Amino acid sequence: EADIYQTPRYLVIGTGKKITLECSQTMGHDKMYWYQQDPGMELHLIHYSYGVNSTEKGDLSSESTVSRIRTEHFPLTLESARPSHTSQYLCASRVGASEKLFFGSGTQLSVL
Amino acid sequence: GENVEQHPSTLSVQEGDSAVIKCTYSDSASNYFPWYKQELGKRPQLIIDIRSNVGEKKDQRIAVTLNKTAKHFSLHITETQPEDSAVYFCAENSGGGADGLTFGKGTHLIIQP
Repeated sequence: EADIYQTPRYLVIGTGKKITLECSQTMGHDKMYWYQQDPGMELHLIHYSYGVNSTEKGDLSSESTVSRIRTEHFPLTLESARPSHTSQYLCASRVGASEKLFFGSGTQLSVL
Repeated sequence: GENVEQHPSTLSVQEGDSAVIKCTYSDSASNYFPWYKQELGKRPQLIIDIRSNVGEKKDQRIAVTLNKTAKHFSLHITETQPEDSAVYFCAENSGGGADGLTFGKGTHLIIQP
C-alpha cells in the first residue's frame, strides 16, 4: 500500500548516543520534509528536500542532519542526542505538482 | 514574525453544536490554505483545503471560508460529534523562505457529550 513509513515509532535513549530516524515513502513523491512537534503540538519545519541529493534547512534551527540518497528514503540523524532533543518527529512528503502534504505516523523520541 | 496565526488554542463545544476555528495570514502571495486534523497519538491528516480563487468550500459537515482582502480563513464544523475531538491545524503555502507549508499553532477541539 502506498504510504509514508517511519521507524521506530518510539525511541528512548541516553544522552550522547547517535541515532537515526528512518522515513520512507512508496508514493513516488519527490519532496520530503521533517517536522518537529513540541508538547504544545506546534509543528516546526526543520529539514526538507526537493529530490535526490537535495537537502535544505527549515525554519527552526536543528542540530540534526538529513540525507537524500534515494528518492523514497529521507533519514534524520542526531550525532549526539541530548534531553533538549526530546520531541515527536514527523516526516512528510508530497509530489512536486501538488501542495497536499502526507504525514508519517511519527517517531516519539525521549532522551534521558 | 508568524506567517499564520490561529485562534482559539482550545475550543470546547457541546455535541451537536457548531465549531469555528480562525486563522490569519500575512503573505499576499499565499494561495493554498489546507486544514489538518490530528487525533491523539495519530498523524496529521488533510481534511479540507481551499485555493485563493475560491471563497468557500464544503465537504459534508465541514467547510472552509476564505477572505483574501482581510487575509483570514476559517474552518466550520457543524453538528459536532465525539469523533471530531482532535487538534486542528491551519496552514498556508507562503513557505516563509523555506519550501512547504507553514502551520498555525493548532486548536484543541473538545466535544462535550
